[in-house]
Amino acid sequence: AQKITQTQPGMFVQEKEAVTLDCTYDTSDQSYGLFWYKQPSSGEMIFLIYQGSYDEQNATEGRYSLNFQKARKSANLVISASQLGDSAMYFCAMRSPNTGNQFYFGTGTSLTVIP
Amino acid sequence: GAVVSQHPSWVICKSGTSVKIECRSLDFQATTMFWYRQFPKQSLMLMATSNEGSKATYEQGVEKDKFLINHASLTLSTLTVTSAHPEDSSFYICSARTSGRTRQFFGPGTRLTVL
Repeated sequence: AQKITQTQPGMFVQEKEAVTLDCTYDTSDQSYGLFWYKQPSSGEMIFLIYQGSYDEQNATEGRYSLNFQKARKSANLVISASQLGDSAMYFCAMRSPNTGNQFYFGTGTSLTVIP
Repeated sequence: GAVVSQHPSWVICKSGTSVKIECRSLDFQATTMFWYRQFPKQSLMLMATSNEGSKATYEQGVEKDKFLINHASLTLSTLTVTSAHPEDSSFYICSARTSGRTRQFFGPGTRLTVL
């Protein structure tokens, strides 16, 4: 079974600072994808970044980067130069072909950016 | 990116009534659609997966007779909550993907309140 763990229910970061949101996963599949989504108070799920299990380079998308450590089964999200608009819930998710490509979500981390 | 819409964005209904939620892919053909439920301050939980033209596959613990899913076309899936009760009050989110593509696109969600 797939399992995603986010151990930080809430995080605070000073504006313009960097913050790391933790995510570990458990799977026996060789091929899988890891995702991070942002969910503001409106409820919309906003795709941030994707990392494939065979990707050797860490994924980056603007201020977002994914620190992928395959052996440790971790996929931490790093947000650089935090902005007030980054305050939201952040969900780590995993998907693999062996499970019908359905998403398994972590419990989420609530990020608050302090001015 | 691809756009997925949901209608209505919010609905309030009386206990015992049925509510239909629509999920539409606006600019791509959604061969597979997923329905999630999210309770306050919790993660998204997959309810069911539907492929166009076939019966939905429900996750364990989800009552298929209560949550009717129809995916009659490549751009529309509907979730009908039958005989709704207050415990069905939740945020319902759909996502969609097209054949051959692994990425899913999420709708903005529908907030259901059952009085």
